[in-house]
Order: sequence, then structure tokens, then C-alpha cells
Amino acid sequence: GIQVEQSPPDLILQEGANSTLRCNFSDSVNNLQWFHQNPWGQLINLFYIPSGTKQNGRLSATTVATERYSLLYISSSQTTDSGVYFCAVEQRTGGFKTIFGAGTRLFVKA
Amino acid sequence: DVKVTQSSRYLVKRTGEKVFLECVQDMDHENMFWYRQDPGLGLRLIYFSYDVKMKEKGDIPEGYSVSREKKERFSLILESASTNQTSMYLCASSQYSGANVLTFGAGSRLTVL
Repeated sequence: GIQVEQSPPDLILQEGANSTLRCNFSDSVNNLQWFHQNPWGQLINLFYIPSGTKQNGRLSATTVATERYSLLYISSSQTTDSGVYFCAVEQRTGGFKTIFGAGTRLFVKA
Repeated sequence: DVKVTQSSRYLVKRTGEKVFLECVQDMDHENMFWYRQDPGLGLRLIYFSYDVKMKEKGDIPEGYSVSREKKERFSLILESASTNQTSMYLCASSQYSGANVLTFGAGSRLTVL
């Protein structure tokens, strides 16, 4: 099956710093999503981005589908950005199978 | 907002017990998913369903079964719970067409003793 690799696995930032999270995938996909899991375990969709670039406030994401990777940029990080960031890709089988990477755990220090 | 509700936030069961995890969504989504989350492994897909009475195996279906008798409800069943099924279980739903954005429930943390 498709492989989804995220890097780095762990990241510690000082508040105000910028960071880039990477997601590589091994096969063509229908779409790609980025999620944030807060410290209480709730997963929230950040971006639906099968290709191109999107921005939402301090967060932006770029997917280059032909090269099978996506990047999530966090600018001017805040302590509330802490948590785990997941990349998830979708492949069409009978239905829509969505596979997650192992995640990047981010801790932002005040 | 779409709501995905999981019936139990925390459960403690004994080895060999039958366990039901229930998930209900209120926005008429076609797709529903069950994942388990373990430290360092991310979310692994157990089963998913793209229509009533339809189901498809994910990457780790062994030891689990599912039921989708109504569109809004997707149940995960552990026929005989084992200690290696101790985990966080997450249910999600999405529309069938267009931007297939997943919406997650709050999760059910299962401990099997």
C-alpha cells in the first residue's frame, strides 16, 4: 500500500519562530489533507490540498503532486500551535481510503 | 458544524470480552472510518464504509469487525478483546464526492486488562 512519511518526527520551537513540516508519499493520490491534533486529542482539519498552495492566517501549505510531497509552513509560532500535525492522503479503492503518516509532534515554548 | 459523536470516551474491558464502539454523525455523510492511534504509529485505518451495509478493510482489520445498518451510524466490534487492542480509537466521516474532508470524533480510549 501507499507509504506516507513525515519529517521531522519531533520539533521544539521558541514562540515566534517559523517552521516547515514535510510529508512525502509513495504513490499518486486523489487528495491530501493536513490535520492538527490538540493536546486533548481532537483532530482538526487544517487544509485540503491535493495540489497548489493555500494559506490560512499564519499557516500555509503547498503540495507538489507530481513530486509526491507536501509542506506545511507555520509562521510566528504560538504556544497554542503545540500538538501533533498529521498528513493524510486519499486513494480511491472501492470507496475513499485515507491513510495517515506517523505525524510531527510540535512543542512551542513560551 | 458536522458532529461526529463517539459513544464512550473511556472504556475498560477484560480480555475475551466483546466490545462495541459506536459512532454517529449528523450530516448525512456517505463515508465513515475507524482508525486506531498508537504512539509513534500515527493513525492506522481499521475499516471504512462508503455506503449503508458496505464495508472495506483498511490496513489492520484483523481482530475487528464493523457494522453499518444506518447511514449515520458506524460500529466497531471487537469480538474477543485482547491486550494488544488497548488503544485510542477514532471515528471519522466525510462526504462521498468533492473535497473529501474528514471530520473526527473525540476518540474512545480503550484499555483491555
